[in-house]
Amino acid sequence: KAGVTQTPRYLIKTRGQQVTLSCSPISGHRSVSWYQQTPGQGLQFLFEYFSETQRNKGNFPGRFSGRQFSNSRSEMNVSTLELGDSALYLCASSLWVGEQFFGPGTRLTVL
Amino acid sequence: DQQVKQNSPSLSVQEGRISILNCDYTNSMFDYFLWYKKYPAEGPTFLISISSIKDKNEDGRFTVFLNKSAKHLSLHIVPSQPGDSAVYFCAATADGTASKLTFGTGTRLQVTL
Repeated sequence: KAGVTQTPRYLIKTRGQQVTLSCSPISGHRSVSWYQQTPGQGLQFLFEYFSETQRNKGNFPGRFSGRQFSNSRSEMNVSTLELGDSALYLCASSLWVGEQFFGPGTRLTVL
Repeated sequence: DQQVKQNSPSLSVQEGRISILNCDYTNSMFDYFLWYKKYPAEGPTFLISISSIKDKNEDGRFTVFLNKSAKHLSLHIVPSQPGDSAVYFCAATADGTASKLTFGTGTRLQVTL
């Protein structure tokens, strides 16, 4: 079974731009969660989508948004990028109940 | 406000010995706990989990212990192998579905020959 895939793997943007990251979950998994990993803050939960609906949300500003499509693929968008948004963005998928399976992440650098 | 804490940033253990990684939490609503392993340039990989209704769970070389009164959990790896060298994260969730995980800051384990 293929694992969680994330595209692109690396991205360089400048302040003020916006970015869209994509995540394809494991086949059959309906829940997709997004996390931000930074050296200072560790892994922090952004939001979770289940059946195209946002089910949980972390403590991030409204510049961070996401959506899920009917095939469970998910995208997250960050608008008006700031230097502090530079991070590894991880996507994880899971079945209804169970551990989350993480993708390799997208490394975003904001200049 | 760090609700899940891993106070040891690093740990070095000889091959064949036991590795013990510790994790403390402050949120009494947490009811499901997980351990993940992470190699550089990869996403975290699930290792083992435990529900708050249990105090121990085993899976091969990995055992997780939960002490709810102390709000403490630990991961035991026996015997430790060089391939276990990685960063280990403990995580917790309060909704029982492991959908919103709160992670610790990680412990880097190095298993030496």
